[in-house]
Amino acid sequence: AAGVIQSPRHLIKEKRETATLKCYPIPRHDTVYWYQQGPGQDPQFLISFYEKMQSDKGSIPDRFSAQQFSDYHSELNMSSLELGDSALYFCASSLPSGRATNGEQYFGPGTRLTVT
Amino acid sequence: LAKTTQPISMDSYEGQEVNITCSHNNIATNDYITWYQQFPSQGPRFIIQGYKTKVTNEVASLFIPADRKSSTLSLPRVSLSDTAVYYCLVGAIDNNAGNMLTFGGGTRLMVKP
Repeated sequence: AAGVIQSPRHLIKEKRETATLKCYPIPRHDTVYWYQQGPGQDPQFLISFYEKMQSDKGSIPDRFSAQQFSDYHSELNMSSLELGDSALYFCASSLPSGRATNGEQYFGPGTRLTVT
Repeated sequence: LAKTTQPISMDSYEGQEVNITCSHNNIATNDYITWYQQFPSQGPRFIIQGYKTKVTNEVASLFIPADRKSSTLSLPRVSLSDTAVYYCLVGAIDNNAGNMLTFGGGTRLMVKP
């Protein structure tokens, strides 16, 4: 079965640089979520999109922005990178509204961002 | 969001049944209880969800008492590959706009041979 695809899988950037992470949800999933997981920490919700509109906003820094496109893929744009942004970034997707019975989210393999 | 409390860590041996209890004293009427599993450097994976009484699937069972202030995830006959962090999450399900997950203080299960 198709899963959530994230690219790149690994990314190394220097401080103050920018980065763009991409997420391709499971086909026909219309909701996308972004989570950040620092070393030894729990995943933290950043932002989500439903039908290409932002639906929830969590602890996403102002330096970050995201959007969902017409094909439902999403991109997380990160600017002025800091050392503390080094983390695993997970994207998740969920079933279309009205069909999801339990809100289950399907997570991608993550993008490991290292800021030096 | 209801706050949850679960053990920081647990040890077990292969073949044993493991029960992880989660406390959620201020659970709301429309809240569900969901458990996710996470292996190192991998995304969390949905295990099971319930509202009340008992739910069982091919992976685990979830026991929820009548007052719903706690829940117990039961993993039968664990193997080494069940070594992971297990998260208990409590929240309402909105099928019209998606639902952010709030992860906090999971239980690190170590299965030993």
